[in-house]
Amino acid sequence: AQRVTQPEKLLSVFKGAPVELKCNYSYSGSPELFWYVQYSRQRLQLLLRHISRESIKGFTADLNKGETSFHLKKPFAQEEDSAMYYCALSQGAQKLVFGQGTRLTINP
Amino acid sequence: EPEVTQTPSHQVTQMGQEVILRCVPISNHLYFYWYRQILGQKVEFLVSFYNNEISEKSEIFDDQFSVERPDGSNFTLKIRSTKLEDSAMYFCASSEDTGTETQYFGPGTRLLVL
Repeated sequence: AQRVTQPEKLLSVFKGAPVELKCNYSYSGSPELFWYVQYSRQRLQLLLRHISRESIKGFTADLNKGETSFHLKKPFAQEEDSAMYYCALSQGAQKLVFGQGTRLTINP
Repeated sequence: EPEVTQTPSHQVTQMGQEVILRCVPISNHLYFYWYRQILGQKVEFLVSFYNNEISEKSEIFDDQFSVERPDGSNFTLKIRSTKLEDSAMYFCASSEDTGTETQYFGPGTRLLVL
């Protein structure tokens, strides 16, 4: 069965510090991995997907099949990065399987 | 930029009552989804819909649930006889295609069953 694990429910860092939000997955095939973000009072929106290999708002994520991880990183956190972050997996079918989410707080 | 919309934003109902949650997906999208999030828990997949039929559903999506696309724009989730444990945030999403295509989410409907 597919599973996505985000081990940290809460993560707090200071502005300007590096950020890493952890995501591990279990899936037997070739997964598609996504990071979704939900800012306060806003809807879930796609932040980035591994297939695009792009950097959005300074965030990057690399799919590591050996470690079955898709950690989200940013070298210098900004206050506007405070939000709920969800790692999600798509099995090439239709549904997204989400992790429990990590609430990131950036302290000034 | 086009967005998925959902109505109502909040719904309070009595246990045993029927509720219909409404969604308007993005107009050129072909795949539609419902997810729910019970307070403090993960976002969970309920059902996907394509070409006027269910393409996949989860174990949660039992006989109490149904989906429909009654016209060219709306996509509805009906809960026939609500239970206390149906209280959750319900999200609609749509995508142009399946698989690796991005799913765009609505703002959600918060359902409270008393």
